[in-house]
Amino acid sequence: DGGITQSPKYLFRKEGQNVTLSCEQNLNHDAMYWYRQDPGQGLRLIYYSQIVNDFQKGDIAEGYSVSREKKESFPLTVTSAQKNPTAFYLCATLRDTNTEAFFGQGTRLTVV
Amino acid sequence: GQNIDQPTEMTATEGAIVQINCTYQTSGFNGLFWYQQHAGEAPTFLSYNVLDGLEEKGRFSSFLSRSKGYSYLLLKELQMKDSASYLCAVSPLYNQGGKLIFGQGTELSVKP
Repeated sequence: DGGITQSPKYLFRKEGQNVTLSCEQNLNHDAMYWYRQDPGQGLRLIYYSQIVNDFQKGDIAEGYSVSREKKESFPLTVTSAQKNPTAFYLCATLRDTNTEAFFGQGTRLTVV
Repeated sequence: GQNIDQPTEMTATEGAIVQINCTYQTSGFNGLFWYQQHAGEAPTFLSYNVLDGLEEKGRFSSFLSRSKGYSYLLLKELQMKDSASYLCAVSPLYNQGGKLIFGQGTELSVKP
């Protein structure tokens, strides 16, 4: 079955640590996205990538980094510079502009 | 500027009809999406409107008026499993990278 796999489902981070969230897809979609969701708020775009080895900042990129070395993979690193990282993180892919986005199951990150 | 407004929460009774409104002000417009999201899960695609009018898909229908910057999602014959958050998202004109702008979501509670 084609789909998007995010791991882990739950992640706990200590203050000052970097953590990496995984996103893998086998839909053969070129475009991949990372969104952050906070309670009572909509999804906000962190980073996106339209093609391998290229990515752009979204609306809230500060404190995050990404890489796109393979079409299937778009990992997100939450760095210690991100002051309020506790949130639900969603990875998505898009076949073409103005088509439906497919989402992974999400990773809930908590700072302890 | 870009702004999307939805009611924060709504309550309805099983078997009834509910209408969830979404208004938007964006710099250009390419289309509007509705997604359903159960708590702690990935959003799933419901509908996409690009032209004015009503799109019907089973118990769910979505309406768009481009001139008024207005859309609604209509849910008929409500079931308990329809309790979820409903996200309105706009694809802006000259959309670079397939980015979507999301509203904050409407939390729908269906009561017996």
